[in-house]
Amino acid sequence: DTGVSQDPRHKITKRGQNVTFRCDPISEHNRLYWYRQTLGQGPEFLTYFQNEAQLEKSRLLSDRFSAERPKGSFSTLEIQRTEQGDSAMYLCASSDGHRGYTFGSGTRLTVV
Amino acid sequence: SQQGEEDPQALSIQEGENATMNCSYKTSINNLQWYRQNSGRGLVHLILIRSNEREKHSGRLRVTLDTSKKSSSLLITASRAADTASYFCATPGTNAGNMLTFGGGTRLMVKP
Repeated sequence: DTGVSQDPRHKITKRGQNVTFRCDPISEHNRLYWYRQTLGQGPEFLTYFQNEAQLEKSRLLSDRFSAERPKGSFSTLEIQRTEQGDSAMYLCASSDGHRGYTFGSGTRLTVV
Repeated sequence: SQQGEEDPQALSIQEGENATMNCSYKTSINNLQWYRQNSGRGLVHLILIRSNEREKHSGRLRVTLDTSKKSSSLLITASRAADTASYFCATPGTNAGNMLTFGGGTRLMVKP
């Protein structure tokens, strides 16, 4: 296991289109987090899974956003009807709950 | 709003000099973490300091924590050009997921 993987690395989409990102966490980690980061800012929490259960959602996660972790392993984050304000880096992280997070390299979304 | 705030927002030093970054936070914590982010990449966990610890070292990194002042500092000694990155402090919440809240970061540039 080489760490947290995110796919794709970059995504350019037209406004109004739907996009889906994938995150493969470290297999031993039961906790998975999604964050969003805009240029020059720190990451902002979006949602948290413990195994397959989505236990926390930020108010930033509007009804156009949905996340799943169907078997407690990989996770997907979908954004429907994308808007220009959705342009950001979407970061996934996993943790065993005792140490720091391990982050993936992120998916950079550009909505044109 | 973000729990931690780093100071300064940007720092430029010469290779070989020491770099000090500060973080202030608002609520009680049981640990504080520092992360590094190279441009366009995910965050890398550097060090975790628990609330009952005052100082922690890891290689050229030294972290201090003053819970009475709700502040922490990260010192990088003998800096190298490869230390050029953004540095973030993060504190966990009190809910079940202990989601990290990140500050806005300090952008460090080390000139060769």
